[in-house]
Amino acid sequence: DTEVTQTPKHLVMGMTNKKSLKCEQHMGHRAMYWYKQKAKKPPELMFVYSYEKLSINESVPSRFSPECPNSSLLNLHLHALQPEDSALYLCASSQVLPGQGLRPTAPYEQYFGPGTRLTVT
Amino acid sequence: EDKVVQSPLSLVVHEGDTVTLNCSYEVTNFRSLLWYKQEKKAPTFLFMLTSSGIEKKSGRLSSILDKKELFSILNITATQTGDSAIYLCAVTSGGSNYKLTFGKGTLLTVNP
Repeated sequence: DTEVTQTPKHLVMGMTNKKSLKCEQHMGHRAMYWYKQKAKKPPELMFVYSYEKLSINESVPSRFSPECPNSSLLNLHLHALQPEDSALYLCASSQVLPGQGLRPTAPYEQYFGPGTRLTVT
Repeated sequence: EDKVVQSPLSLVVHEGDTVTLNCSYEVTNFRSLLWYKQEKKAPTFLFMLTSSGIEKKSGRLSSILDKKELFSILNITATQTGDSAIYLCAVTSGGSNYKLTFGKGTLLTVNP
């Protein structure tokens, strides 16, 4: 089973709203990722969690707040977004060897969820 | 700055044709190269390549990496309309095996 699930599939929110995106995987992966993808562009990495700890933050504005409550779940809390934040938000997960949480020495393929199409009005 | 360049950017073929998609890269301390297929939503993993000259194959798709010339190709034989998608190439490099640097993708359209 290589399934990563994301909810909701679509989300429309105003600039003053607070909402959350959710991601779940049951593959036993200990690395989870958030990507942002604008139309006709490749995905751009936002955050990486490894063993439930934030490993990479690609200088993402603080109006995006990630959370990893356990090894299967990853959330992205949204607050005071701008219209230019409208995009497809993709979650992914991958293996990582124990003891290599921050700097894994081996690459593993990332499996993506179906994404949440976010529109900020 | 790491750079991944895919060519062509778009390609239109007829069912049954064979296509070759290209990916070249300039990165510091290369670790792996990955191919993904993206239809309407999530990129779907196809291959991960870490060693030169070893072909990976899955059905009608195959891929190979040349670490000396810094490129990879993705071949699709006997194309079908279901192969229509954006094919993304990505690399991991440097100090992080987490960060995928993507190319802009090749949009493949297979006409019946």
